[in-house]
Amino acid sequence: DAKTTQPTSMDCAEGRAANLPCNHSTISGNEYVYWYRQIHSQGPQYIIHGLKNNETNEMASLIITEDRKSSTLILPHATLRDTAVYYCIVRVEVETSGSRLTFGEGTQLTVNP
Amino acid sequence: DTAVSQTPKYLVTQMGNDKSIKCEQNLGHDTMYWYKQDSKKFLKIMFSYNNKELIINETVPNRFSPKSPDKAHLNLHINSLELGDSAVYFCATLGDFQETQYFGPGTRLLVL
Repeated sequence: DAKTTQPTSMDCAEGRAANLPCNHSTISGNEYVYWYRQIHSQGPQYIIHGLKNNETNEMASLIITEDRKSSTLILPHATLRDTAVYYCIVRVEVETSGSRLTFGEGTQLTVNP
Repeated sequence: DTAVSQTPKYLVTQMGNDKSIKCEQNLGHDTMYWYKQDSKKFLKIMFSYNNKELIINETVPNRFSPKSPDKAHLNLHINSLELGDSAVYFCATLGDFQETQYFGPGTRLLVL
């Protein structure tokens, strides 16, 4: 799986948009970009994923650059409950039985009141 | 109902003991995992099972033995516990839709 690089930590004001960047310059054409987050003392939680096109769901938006070498997760109106470690993961789709997620160090997002 | 549940939530034990952690899911998913998150917060896969069959076995000591009595359960038995086994252990399932994994709340194991 392609290696990802994320900032160690970021701060955001409550109510503002949080933009979390991720570099994945060695991503292959068939590798997806996934985002998970881990709120303190909880299990990781799926947020969103994409291949080429930008994606949006009820939690966040995912913007993938045209060359696919980087992406940005956007939380449009961050709340205090969004404080968590955010993981960017890239991986290829395989037979589900052999699938695995390789977590990096992630970005600690702190939303401040 | 909790989708993926683990028991116990906390486990404090002495070195050399044998202990088990249980995981149950009510999502009907075929694939289940065990992950270990150490004190540095790195989350690493240990095992995966698909329909009661072992699929992934990372370089985990033989003291760790997963057991899947049925599709809804994946338990982790650990023999001869060591100090380095202290960590948070997460169970997870794989959804049908493209790599969405659902994690349990974690079991915090402390070996003294």
